[in-house]
Amino acid sequence: EADIYQTPRYLVIGTGKKITLECSQTMGHDKMYWYQQDPGMELHLIHYSYGVNSTEKGDLSSESTVSRIRTEHFPLTLESARPSHTSQYLCASSESQGRDRANEQFFGPGTRLTVL
Amino acid sequence: SQKIEQNSEALNIQEGKTATLTCNYTNYSPAYLQWYRQDPGRGPVFLLLIRENEKEKRKERLKVTFDTTLKQSLFHITASQPADSATYLCALPLGSSYKLIFGSGTRLLVRP
Repeated sequence: EADIYQTPRYLVIGTGKKITLECSQTMGHDKMYWYQQDPGMELHLIHYSYGVNSTEKGDLSSESTVSRIRTEHFPLTLESARPSHTSQYLCASSESQGRDRANEQFFGPGTRLTVL
Repeated sequence: SQKIEQNSEALNIQEGKTATLTCNYTNYSPAYLQWYRQDPGRGPVFLLLIRENEKEKRKERLKVTFDTTLKQSLFHITASQPADSATYLCALPLGSSYKLIFGSGTRLLVRP
């Protein structure tokens, strides 16, 4: 069982609200990721971090922002939620290993966000 | 651009049979490929990694092959059980970065 946690598991919120999705890992991994996944669809990377104070946007454009002040914590914030943000948000972490940078990713249980 | 294709149709098999799932990729020469299992409403769980210089990898009832000429990986579950029912995702690294690109997955249903 991976030691990576996400809260809340489910969130239903009205349009225009500010929300923060929490993600924490206790494995000391330097790499952390946020993915967005709609039902039956592939995971899309929206943010990643190589370490503390290092964040970059992923391949899928997202209006969300992230921060990495501590190694174990990688929260995602939406300043003004919209119905188009309704989706499953998955947090993951990994460590660097090997010359080819092969690294398995450990995923949290996800947050199912519904914006009304 | 890099693309991963997995069969979007569910694979429905009888318990005890071997399940074979396919992952094809284009415009890509990955150094390795990974397979994950995802249950409904949960995050993916890593299963196996196979490198470009390995043709086959096994772990208990799981077997993965990697054909860099065909640009294809096959994922086999032998002696399948109803508990193997899930969606299986393949993932490849984006260039030499730590980022992964995931396929949309194939849903496996094992009938008792």
